[in-house]
Amino acid sequence: KNQVEQSPQSLIILEGKNCTLQCNYTVSPFSNLRWYKQDTGRGPVSLTIMTFSENTKSNGRYTATLDADTKQSSLHITASQLSDSASYICVVISSNDYKLSFGAGTTVTVRA
Amino acid sequence: KAGVTQTPRYLIKTRGQQVTLSCSPISGHRSVSWYQQTPGQGLQFLFEYFSETQRNKGNFPGRFSGRQFSNSRSEMNVSTLELGDSALYLCASSFTTSSYEQYFGPGTRLTVT
Repeated sequence: KNQVEQSPQSLIILEGKNCTLQCNYTVSPFSNLRWYKQDTGRGPVSLTIMTFSENTKSNGRYTATLDADTKQSSLHITASQLSDSASYICVVISSNDYKLSFGAGTTVTVRA
Repeated sequence: KAGVTQTPRYLIKTRGQQVTLSCSPISGHRSVSWYQQTPGQGLQFLFEYFSETQRNKGNFPGRFSGRQFSNSRSEMNVSTLELGDSALYLCASSFTTSSYEQYFGPGTRLTVT
């Protein structure tokens, strides 16, 4: 069964600090890996999409990395802002059946 | 370009009733996927429609059904509501299939009492 596991489940950081979220997956082979940001009570918004051949992709203060050999991805948030408080969801798409496997998400709380 | 819209945004129903939720995709998008999101289970895939045909289906009981119209708008229906159906229901549209980038709507918050 394809699985996507995210860690930590939640974290609290001070405004201006950096943090890194982890995503480990068993989906293989995979088509692409996505990171979404979801504000409370709203739909997820795409941050990055990476194919298996990409190692890193940035979107402003968000940088995602991918190691297809170890089946790990990370999302790094630089100089956090209060607006970064949200849930971050990792999604992996299988290239066999193109089904999406969702991680449970990491809840980030940024405090002033 | 208008985003994905979902109606209604909030809904309160009684156990045993049925409900219909609507999703209008981004103009030009032909795929619509539906997801259920609860605090304990995270995002769970319900089904995907592409060109009016159900392309994929998740592991939900037959009480959950959907359809897509020729203009790509989609509806999902839940019959005989149960307390456990209380959740945020999200739809996402993509240009061709869900394997391409998806754009999510704001969701419909369903509360079953």
